[in-house]
Amino acid sequence: EIVLTQSPGTLSLSPGERATLSCRASQSVSSSYLAWYQQKPGQAPRLLIYGASSRATGIPDRFSGSGSGTDFTLTISRLEPEDFAVYYCQQYGSSRGYTFGQGTKLEIK
Amino acid sequence: QVQLQESGPGLVKPSETLSLTCTVSGGSISSYYWSWIRQPPGKGLEWIGYIYYSGSTNYNPSLKSRVTISVDTSKNQFSLKLSSVTAADTAVYYCARTPIWFREGDYYYYMDVWGKGTTVTVSS
Repeated sequence: EIVLTQSPGTLSLSPGERATLSCRASQSVSSSYLAWYQQKPGQAPRLLIYGASSRATGIPDRFSGSGSGTDFTLTISRLEPEDFAVYYCQQYGSSRGYTFGQGTKLEIK
Repeated sequence: QVQLQESGPGLVKPSETLSLTCTVSGGSISSYYWSWIRQPPGKGLEWIGYIYYSGSTNYNPSLKSRVTISVDTSKNQFSLKLSSVTAADTAVYYCARTPIWFREGDYYYYMDVWGKGTTVTVSS
């Protein structure tokens, strides 16, 4: 079973700053199996990145994904006020299906 | 554009069966996989399972013994049944479109369209 561990648990930054969120897998994950989501309070998750680095439709280019193997990163180049939310990474495994990391809360400093 | 809407009882008694339906509008249920995901209060996301429009399914092993997902293409709907519920099944339940596709030697797995979610409380 592949476990995804996200860090940090909480990230405190100011608008305009750069955010770097980490997702580490307990075993190597195919990049095409890795996605990132944003969730705001009271809302459903929203797909940001699929295939580790491809932006979903309508996602601003300040969001980017990178990484391979066991280490993946979501970067937000310049934080906008609406970017403060919880972010989840997700992978697919043949034995357990889709699994998510525990989330990183991005809060306003 | 495609929209998903969950519906079903908001309160279920312990040991009974939770039943939810997801209605797909603005597009056809055909040619896609469709998932159920849940989120307990204050916690993270847990994938429950998916169904292909043809009826084939894949379930989370931790829930497999209690889960049934079905599809009704004539109504553009798919449904979730979770049996023998306990308080631990209290959560927001989401349905989501789940593209699985192949390109240049790789399969891609993600959920691109989500319903707004429905809260289900298990309590007597």
